[in-house]
Amino acid sequence: GAVVSQHPSRVICKSGTSVKIECRSLDFQATTMFWYRQFPKQSLMLMATSNEGSKATYEQGVEKDKFLINHASLTLSTLTVTSAHPEDSSFYICSALLKGNRGPNQPQHFGDGTRLSIL
Amino acid sequence: AQSVSQHNHHVILSEAASLELGCNYSYGGTVNLFWYVQYPGQHLQLLLKYFSGDPLVKGIKGFEAEFIKSKFSFNLRKPSVQWSDTAEYFCAVNAAGGATNKLIFGTGTLLAVQP
Repeated sequence: GAVVSQHPSRVICKSGTSVKIECRSLDFQATTMFWYRQFPKQSLMLMATSNEGSKATYEQGVEKDKFLINHASLTLSTLTVTSAHPEDSSFYICSALLKGNRGPNQPQHFGDGTRLSIL
Repeated sequence: AQSVSQHNHHVILSEAASLELGCNYSYGGTVNLFWYVQYPGQHLQLLLKYFSGDPLVKGIKGFEAEFIKSKFSFNLRKPSVQWSDTAEYFCAVNAAGGATNKLIFGTGTLLAVQP
């Protein structure tokens, strides 16, 4: 149980285009989802917290107009990288919390990640 | 600010060898501690976690970790590794008692077990 699916797993596109990444909880409802970014040989860095039906909370230094997050339902959050440039190339990972699970000791369930390459 | 350090970036062991991966964190308050594992081509999975109580925590697949508060450490151990333990291991921390599930991750340790 608690499967999180990310799509696409890999995307290559030209500079200036916008890319949408989907994060779905397949067998549970997720009130809260998280978006992380990972550069090679670096740790996962939290970009934003996505809450169903409300605006996402972005971490310091993350441009909200650049990385648009929509959490329109209890099973889907999307991250759109707008006007992507080569420096946005990275590995993007989402995670989800089971609905009703609050508090810092609740485990996050992770997707497989999306490898984004901007040419 | 919270931070997590994993000193071993790449570890190579033979099967049956013992494993210890270091994890140190920096935070002034009470923390929850986690170890996640990412097998090749798979997503991050929770290996074990510490919230309170016995500082020696046992997780899945024979792994354990010991929380040493005085050293701000949460090292991961396994007495005898297998080839199937080849994976990347991430230590993570968040603030206990807080309202958020925000995790701070270490940079990860890539473990390669040779048969």
